[in-house]
Amino acid sequence: AQKITQTQPGMFVQEKEAVTLDCTYDTSDQSYGLFWYKQPSSGEMIFLIYQGSYDEQNATEGRYSLNFQKARKSANLVISASQLGDSAMYFCAMRGSNYKLTFGKGTLLTVNP
Amino acid sequence: DARVTQTPRHKVTEMGQEVTMRCQPILGHNTVFWYRQTMMQGLELLAYFRNRAPLDDSGMPKDRFSAEMPDATLATLKIQPSEPRDSAVYFCASGLTSVSYTFGSGTRLTVV
Repeated sequence: AQKITQTQPGMFVQEKEAVTLDCTYDTSDQSYGLFWYKQPSSGEMIFLIYQGSYDEQNATEGRYSLNFQKARKSANLVISASQLGDSAMYFCAMRGSNYKLTFGKGTLLTVNP
Repeated sequence: DARVTQTPRHKVTEMGQEVTMRCQPILGHNTVFWYRQTMMQGLELLAYFRNRAPLDDSGMPKDRFSAEMPDATLATLKIQPSEPRDSAVYFCASGLTSVSYTFGSGTRLTVV
């Protein structure tokens, strides 16, 4: 069974500062993928970043980076230089070797001006 | 941009009625997921398909929910009979390479 845990129901950050959203996972698969999605108040699900279990370097996409610590089974999302438009719900997800895509409960990020 | 199309966007129905939600995955995508999102439960995986074959539907209430892919361009999720507790946003997502999945805009279902 695979499980995603996001322990922060809500986070606050000042505009222009960096913020880290936590995600831990549990799986017995050797090959898996980790994802972060953003859901703004409009409700759409927006793909942000992907990290494969065999990728040696942390993934980066613009202001988003994924801090992948395989031994600790963590895949934290780092958003640099926060913007007001970053205020949204953020979901961590894992795809196992059976292609199953499981999501965590999410973290609500609020960026303050 | 290619997109996943879900219809209808909104549906209000009376308890006991059949509800059918449709999803058109991105052309060529071979993995399709159905999720239900509520405030209390978050994003629950209901069922998913790979190359049109159902891989897992253990997240679905079997007595009233059914999911099918009659062809590569259409996935359906049916609820019969519907109940007020089925009120939620239902998302479809599709992918090909397993490194990115695209979500549809969702169907907001209200059962009264």
